[in-house]
Amino acid sequence: KLMTQSPATLTVSPGERATLSCRASQSVNSDLAWYQQKPGQPPRLLIYGASTRATGIPARFSGSGSGTEFTLTISSLQTEDSAVYYCQQYNNWPLTFGGGTKVEIK
Amino acid sequence: EVQLLESGGGLVQPGGSLRLSCAAFGFTFNNYAMSWVRQAPGKGLEWVSTISSGGASRDYADSVKGRFTISRDNSRNTLYLQMNSLRAEDTAVYYCAKHTRGSGGNFDYWGQGTLVTVSS
Repeated sequence: KLMTQSPATLTVSPGERATLSCRASQSVNSDLAWYQQKPGQPPRLLIYGASTRATGIPARFSGSGSGTEFTLTISSLQTEDSAVYYCQQYNNWPLTFGGGTKVEIK
Repeated sequence: EVQLLESGGGLVQPGGSLRLSCAAFGFTFNNYAMSWVRQAPGKGLEWVSTISSGGASRDYADSVKGRFTISRDNSRNTLYLQMNSLRAEDTAVYYCAKHTRGSGGNFDYWGQGTLVTVSS
């Protein structure tokens, strides 16, 4: 299942909302996770089950969607949120990641 | 605290072999599926292989099928990736990642990664 993320790059001012999209080529139900990756670091789990925040993840991060259309929203962007964000489906094999959205701070 | 410590990366010539290891700490290793995920320089994440909690089930990306073998030693809390017939396009940071279930699910913990460079 191909996962397509948009936009490739998103530039947002601190305090503003950031909306990231992920589309699956076929339904993945709610078997969708979001990860954050900063330079030189491994990915960190943010959201699983399309909308459940992982332990320790701030409430400004939220996920929504099911089937083929998913959204990650950062409600009030902080400078430390500058990173690349990946979606990943785990509905079936092969596991697949989207190409990533780079979030930059304006 | 969950920790995943990869080792075994390095420089290898095309056609060569390498074995990666991932030592796991802080959780009941034999309860969870484990995977290898790689990231080529400046590129995105690519799933490589998964092994179920007991080791009976293994899955591979088409790009590595027939060349890579995933295994685990639950008595040593260690995951392995044997990589043979290496190609330049296998150059990447290889991450060990823990799943949330015995047979799959999303990843909840990742190691720091080990760099594999395939070059003559």
